[in-house]
Amino acid sequence: NAGVTQTPKFQVLKTGQSMTLQCAQDMNHNSMYWYRQDPGMGLRLIYYSASEGTTDKGEVPNGYNVSRLNKREFSLRLESAAPSQTSVYFCASTERLATTEAFFGQGTRLTVV
Amino acid sequence: SQKIEQNSEALNIQEGKTATLTCNYTNYSPAYLQWYRQDPGRGPVFLLLIRENEKEKRKERLKVTFDTTLKQSLFHITASQPADSATYLCAPSSGGSNYKLTFGKGTLLTVNP
Repeated sequence: NAGVTQTPKFQVLKTGQSMTLQCAQDMNHNSMYWYRQDPGMGLRLIYYSASEGTTDKGEVPNGYNVSRLNKREFSLRLESAAPSQTSVYFCASTERLATTEAFFGQGTRLTVV
Repeated sequence: SQKIEQNSEALNIQEGKTATLTCNYTNYSPAYLQWYRQDPGRGPVFLLLIRENEKEKRKERLKVTFDTTLKQSLFHITASQPADSATYLCAPSSGGSNYKLTFGKGTLLTVNP
């Protein structure tokens, strides 16, 4: 049982390049989340998906897009990367709602130069 | 706007003592509050969830209280060990159909041998 798997683990991008961060969970969870974590800022919610077919903005959605491809997968896309998007990105899932235990992936460390 | 404050950015204690971490929230009334542990370079891991009507919850050496009047949760680790050194995050959430899962910035706990 792998839980939540994120790919890639590390990535370096040049300013203006695009990329997609992948996240998949094998726990049949309904809700999925993308966060970024920066020193001194804690975990900030970028986007979330309450259930398959729905997505909503979190606290810091600007510069990102998401796709809930199916119940298992929730991807995060940077269309034109900026140095301010250098961060560690975490994907998480919950069985449903924000009132059940969240399971996190191992993170993607992204550097934009 | 809703705000989550974890009062200490860092807390240092001696092995064997009780560590007490604080989580305060403003401008909303969560029905649930979760605590997570995060080790360097890894995703957060769920520890405990307490409901608004539970007041106190225990798991091994961990104890969480939830005071909805003070809008505060306290997280205690008794008989602390160096292995308890980590960042601890709180996540209050409303009940009903709330899907947003947001976190405090965390408290870095260091237990000195």
